[in-house]
Amino acid sequence: EDQVTQSPEALRLQEGESSSLNCSYTVSGLRGLFWYRQDPGKGPEFLFTLYSAGEEKEKERLKATLTKKESFLHITAPKPEDSATYLCAVQAPYNFNKFYFGSGTKLNVKP
Amino acid sequence: NAGVTQTPKFQVLKTGQSMTLQCAQDMNHNSMYWYRQDPGMGLRLIYYSASEGTTDKGEVPNGYNVSRLNKREFSLRLESAAPSQTSVYFCAGTTSPSTDTQYFGPGTRLTVL
Repeated sequence: EDQVTQSPEALRLQEGESSSLNCSYTVSGLRGLFWYRQDPGKGPEFLFTLYSAGEEKEKERLKATLTKKESFLHITAPKPEDSATYLCAVQAPYNFNKFYFGSGTKLNVKP
Repeated sequence: NAGVTQTPKFQVLKTGQSMTLQCAQDMNHNSMYWYRQDPGMGLRLIYYSASEGTTDKGEVPNGYNVSRLNKREFSLRLESAAPSQTSVYFCAGTTSPSTDTQYFGPGTRLTVL
């Protein structure tokens, strides 16, 4: 069964304290892996798409990387405004309209 | 551009009542999706529409029906609501095949008593 697991479930950081969020998946023949940010009471907002092992994407303090079985979202010197839930989703190779989401990592950055 | 819009934002139903959740987009999405989000669980796909006039089941379709009225609109109907359908519902769209990035609406928070 295709699965996506995110860890940790919750992460508390001090402002400026860098860390990484993990997304591991069991979907074989991955087509694409997506990272989203979700603020309370809002819909997920797109951050990155990764398609092949070794690929990296960066945006401000965020950097996403991909291996054959997992992806990492690295947060460098986070600020309180980075506090949100970060979701990972994997696109099935056998049906491009099927996306499997992890349950998310809730990040809290304290000033 | 409004992006992806959903109505209503909140709704409370009694068990057995029916309702339709509306979704509209002005981003020229070919594919549209309905998800539900429950605490501690990831977004789960209910139904999707790969193009106008077509719909297909996702992971959790039981108890729901959908209509792709035209390219812009994709509605989700609960014929006889049950407490297990209490959830937050999100509509999303992509301009696949040009890109698989999903753009989400703001969600509808539904409570079934």
